[in-house]
Order: sequence, then C-alpha cells, then structure tokens
Amino acid sequence: AQSVTQPDIHITVSEGASLELRCNYSYGATPYLFWYVQSPGQGLQLLLKYFSGDTLVQGIKGFEAEFKRSQSSFNLRKPSVHWSDAAEYFCAVDSPGSGNTGKLIFGQGTTLQVKP
Amino acid sequence: EAGVTQFPSHSVIEKGQTVTLRCDPISGHDNLYWYRRVMGKEIKFLLHFVKESKQDESGMPNNRFLAERTGGTYSTLKVQPAELEDSGVYFCASSLKKGLTGELFFGEGSRLTVL
Repeated sequence: AQSVTQPDIHITVSEGASLELRCNYSYGATPYLFWYVQSPGQGLQLLLKYFSGDTLVQGIKGFEAEFKRSQSSFNLRKPSVHWSDAAEYFCAVDSPGSGNTGKLIFGQGTTLQVKP
Repeated sequence: EAGVTQFPSHSVIEKGQTVTLRCDPISGHDNLYWYRRVMGKEIKFLLHFVKESKQDESGMPNNRFLAERTGGTYSTLKVQPAELEDSGVYFCASSLKKGLTGELFFGEGSRLTVL
C-alpha cells in the first residue's frame, strides 16, 4: 500500500539555523508530492508541490524541497528559520489512479519548534 | 475572499449522541473534500464531492458517518451515533477543479471529542 513517512515527529532548531524536514514515500509510479504547513489556529496551507520537471521546487515563505527518485524522498528545506515558522508540517502524495485527484495520503506530521 | 470555513471549531459530545459538522467551501469551488485526523495519527481522506455528487467515499469509516452537499454548496458531515474512536479533527478542503492546478484549500478543522 502507498504510504508516506515523516521520520521526525518533533524537531527543535534555533532561529536563524537551517532546517531540513524529511519525507519518504512508498509509491509505484512518480507521485505528485506536496508539503503543507499548519500554524496554530489555522488550516493547512500549501507550501509547495512537485508534479514533474525540475526536481528542486521553490515554495512560499522561503521553503524549497528536492525530489529524489532514487531515495524516494521529498525533503523540505529552509536556509534560515524564523520564529514564525514554528508549526506542524505535513508531507503528502496524491493517491494512485488518475493523478492529482485531491485524495491525498499524508505523513504523520513533524512539529517544528523554534528556539530564540 | 473568504477561505474554507468550518463549524463548530470544537464539539464535545457523549458516546451515542449525534454531531453534525458543517463546511462552507470557497465560493465557486466544485470540489469538496473531508479529511480526518485521529489523535496521534496521520490525516486521512474520507470523501470527495464534485458539486452535489459523491465522487469518492472510499475513506468513510462506516455507516455511522453521513456526508451531504445540498445544492453543491456547503457540506455537512453527520456522525450518528458517535463512538469514542470518532474523536479527532475533521478537516474540510475545497478546490476549483481537479487536475494539476487543483490546489486544495483547507479549513481550520472541527475538533470532535467524544466522551
């Protein structure tokens, strides 16, 4: 069965430090990949997505992610974290079938804490 | 433009009672989705409407859950009777269209606590 794994449930980084959140997927074909963020009291917001083409994708709020087919990974990165980045981050893939159906498979989420 | 709104934000009920959650999608969005996150678990798909029609309800856990989308506008998700394992956060999302540009916009979620 298709699945998404976010190995880190909780991560703490200092403000200004770099960040990498890991995401691995199990999927037979090339998936559609997404990163969402949920800040306290808000809904999930799309940070970035990968469908095809350049494997390094840029998103909002200074985030980027790199698709690595050989590693089945889609890790999220940011060079310098801001206190406002403290939130929960979700990696997701579109389920098999017709592609980008909106029927997403999510990882368990990674909670990011930012130290001053 | 208003985003996806969900009501109530939090509901506490006793086992055996009924709860109805409501979702108002972004105006003009034909696609509406319900997802659920049970405590400590991942967010899981429940079902997908295209306008008033159920496109995919493969994620609905059992027949205690009933989703409707009258007139293709807002949607309700009723749980009757509620069980302890139904506790979690129920998310609604909408999109303008399917396909590569069909970004999902999520609401803040409705937290359901069943005692």
